[in-house]
Amino acid sequence: QVQLVQSGAEVKKPGASVRVSCKASGHTFTGHYLHWVRQAPGQGLEWMGWINPNSGATNIAQKFQGSVTMTWDTSLRTAYMELNRLKSDDTAVYYCATDYCSGDRCHYFFPSWGQGTLVTVSS
Amino acid sequence: DIVMTQSPDSLAVSLGERATISCKTSQSVLSSSNNKNYLSWYQQKPGQPPQLLVYWASTRESGVPDRFRGSGSGTDFTLTISSLQAEDVAVYYCQQYSTTPWTFGQGTKVVVK
Repeated sequence: QVQLVQSGAEVKKPGASVRVSCKASGHTFTGHYLHWVRQAPGQGLEWMGWINPNSGATNIAQKFQGSVTMTWDTSLRTAYMELNRLKSDDTAVYYCATDYCSGDRCHYFFPSWGQGTLVTVSS
Repeated sequence: DIVMTQSPDSLAVSLGERATISCKTSQSVLSSSNNKNYLSWYQQKPGQPPQLLVYWASTRESGVPDRFRGSGSGTDFTLTISSLQAEDVAVYYCQQYSTTPWTFGQGTKVVVK
């Protein structure tokens, strides 16, 4: 089982940027993609994109293209999600999650989640 | 994008009674190559991340009680809790992983009547 530990809560002003980290542990992490999902207060879940830790390739949902950057630090086994030009409606809990892999195939549902990072955007 | 519509938005069920949640997808999530439905279900309790309950529409995740059952195919799916327990009070979400972007339903809140 993969364990994911995220960085702490952040408070930012509109127009600023925020970087959330997600540290992965557990030998079964190899081969998984690392996904980011957000949840606005009292709202549902919204998939933002994934990063392939092996290659650094990313697939970012169209809504977030141009404002979200996803990176991976191999030495730290840590993923980062940076959100730029923050607006008040970016206030949300941001989760990292891994997908499900069996053999050499992976499928994009999420058995493992980080604890979540609350990002508050307020002037 | 595939739109996921859950019903009802909220459900009040007596302890020990059955709870049934519906999830409809705007297009089929059944794969013709492997005959699998790319549909999962999650439970989320306040202040916690979602927890995977069911994948491939009907396969229970390890450790999930057998009172949780997923069913359906194509565009119509159901999550059934056969005998509601107090610890099942939560919001339940369906998710499709057939076509990117992966999308979730709006959630169904289950409370005790």
